[in-house]
Amino acid sequence: AQSVTQLGSHVSVSEGALVLLRCNYSSSVPPYLFWYVQYPNQGLQLLLKYTTGATLVKGINGFEAEFKKSETSFHLTKPSAHMSDAAEYFCAVSQLTGANNLFFGTGTRLTVIP
Amino acid sequence: DGGITQSPKYLFRKEGQNVTLSCEQNLNHDAMYWYRQDPGQGLRLIYYSQIVNDFQKGDIAEGYSVSREKKESFPLTVTSAQKNPTAFYLCASKTPGELEAFFGQGTRLTVV
Repeated sequence: AQSVTQLGSHVSVSEGALVLLRCNYSSSVPPYLFWYVQYPNQGLQLLLKYTTGATLVKGINGFEAEFKKSETSFHLTKPSAHMSDAAEYFCAVSQLTGANNLFFGTGTRLTVIP
Repeated sequence: DGGITQSPKYLFRKEGQNVTLSCEQNLNHDAMYWYRQDPGQGLRLIYYSQIVNDFQKGDIAEGYSVSREKKESFPLTVTSAQKNPTAFYLCASKTPGELEAFFGQGTRLTVV
């Protein structure tokens, strides 16, 4: 069984401050992990993904995430928040076996304060 | 340009009426998915289809129906049996065995 837990449904940061969005996963097989971003009334856009190899993954818009197997975590970070980063962020897990479906967390809404 | 098109973007229906949401893709993807999004609940899988003429129930299939007669199209019908149909609906597609799913822009359904 697979599941994702995102700690904090709302996160507020000041413009220029560090962004940290937390994601923990549960998976019975090696996971594939994703972060998606959603702007209001829009679909989801892939920010970054971890499959195999390097555990620090860089994505679009200056975001990165680190896969930590021992902590079952895949937290999303950005060194300096920009106003345009305000959106909802979803962590998701999948596997390359079975139905290969994506399982999503409940999302974290990021607010950037000017 | 390749992509997924959902239509309409906003849809209003009276309670008790069936309504069909459209999802079309020209990415040549075999697999297609329907998700429902409610505030604070993330995305929940309604139905998915790995290949034409075949589809499977997801976690919250009750009150919904789908068809997959063409590779490009995966329409979702919200029936009168769905107790709380007002939500944001997202369609996605991908190639089986690949990891990345591509999403449409969503349809916001409001039932009054």
